[in-house]
Amino acid sequence: KAGVTQTPRYLIKTRGQQVTLSCSPISGHRSVSWYQQTPGQGLQFLFEYFSETQRNKGNFPGRFSGRQFSNSRSEMNVSTLELGDSALYLCASSSTGGVQSSQFFGPGTRLTVL
Amino acid sequence: AQTVTQSQPEMSVQEAETVTLSCTYDTSESDYYLFWYKQPPSRQMILVIRQEAYKQQNATENRFSVNFQKAAKSFSLKISDSQLGDAAMYFCVLQPTGANSKLTFGKGITLSVRP
Repeated sequence: KAGVTQTPRYLIKTRGQQVTLSCSPISGHRSVSWYQQTPGQGLQFLFEYFSETQRNKGNFPGRFSGRQFSNSRSEMNVSTLELGDSALYLCASSSTGGVQSSQFFGPGTRLTVL
Repeated sequence: AQTVTQSQPEMSVQEAETVTLSCTYDTSESDYYLFWYKQPPSRQMILVIRQEAYKQQNATENRFSVNFQKAAKSFSLKISDSQLGDAAMYFCVLQPTGANSKLTFGKGITLSVRP
């Protein structure tokens, strides 16, 4: 089985722009979660989608949004980029999203905001 | 709210020796899982081991084992016979079993292995 894939792997944007990141889960997995990883804050949960519905949400401003498609692929969008949005964005997929199924992580998208 | 604390930012171990990584947590949830994840440099995060909080028996996975002390809210990872490939950042993670089942990560600890 192919693992979790994320595109693009690297991205450079300027302040004020918007960006869309993509995540393709492992085949058969219906849950996709997104995390932001920074040296200062560590790993923080953004949101989780299950069967095209947002099931959980972290404490991030409304500039961060996401969606999930019928094939379980997920996209994350950040509007009006700020310098502090520079981070590694990880997505993880699992079959159900609960503790019964382990989460498998993608390689991440490294976003740099100039 | 839940928190996970890894107070040691870095540790080093000699190849073939044993090392223990510490973690404490706090949660108001009655049922939850605990995990250790490993993130090698420039590589994907992978699950090392998981522990169900309602189980008293400590989980083991080959050279990896945990010491789970529920009353003390402590969850340490022991790596036996350390190998060069064990060098990575290790995250202690908490996940409740309820509806709000998001993962809460500790800050991580960087483990280096000396040959």
